[in-house]
Amino acid sequence: KNQVEQSPQSLIILEGKNCTLQCNYTVSPFSNLRWYKQDTGRGPVSLTIMTFSENTKSNGRYTATLDADTKQSSLHITASQLSDSASYICVVSRQGGYNKLIFGAGTRLAVHP
Amino acid sequence: GAVVSQHPSRVICKSGTSVKIECRSLDFQATTMFWYRQFPKQSLMLMATSNEGSKATYEQGVEKDKFLINHASLTLSTLTVTSAHPEDSSFYICSAVDSSLGDGYTFGSGTRLTVV
Repeated sequence: KNQVEQSPQSLIILEGKNCTLQCNYTVSPFSNLRWYKQDTGRGPVSLTIMTFSENTKSNGRYTATLDADTKQSSLHITASQLSDSASYICVVSRQGGYNKLIFGAGTRLAVHP
Repeated sequence: GAVVSQHPSRVICKSGTSVKIECRSLDFQATTMFWYRQFPKQSLMLMATSNEGSKATYEQGVEKDKFLINHASLTLSTLTVTSAHPEDSSFYICSAVDSSLGDGYTFGSGTRLTVV
């Protein structure tokens, strides 16, 4: 069964601290993996997208890693800011067409001053 | 970059009425758009795939007569919630694919529908 599981479900950190969010998947055949940030009441915004051959990609203070062998990905946030408070969604795309996105349930991150 | 505009951002309607939500790709053509529904603290659930010039493809359990989708042009898809009920209250999000960006999805900003 194609699934994407994220952990932790929620996380609270202090401003300025780093954190790492996890994503495990069982999607096959794999096409790519994306991390999105979703602010409350807004649509998801793309942070990174990685294909099978990529094992790390950065976007400012966000760094995503991918281990296609173990089917694991992580999103590392450096020097967190209050504006990082949001849900972070891991989405895995299957090969075979555009309508093949498998969504994780997301990690809700709260950054406190 | 690719931009998808969704309108309205919020709407309140009475039970039994219909509501139309628009999804526009502003700087690219999208032959395929997607409509999602999101309940509080849950992830996005695909409702249907909107195909320009043809009928939408609905996911299992989604009533096609209740959620009417029209994709009349390469830049516009609409979702009409017909005979709305309070249980239809949710956050609806569209997305579109800009094929020039490879496998790049762009999401709209979402529509908060409240049926009273």
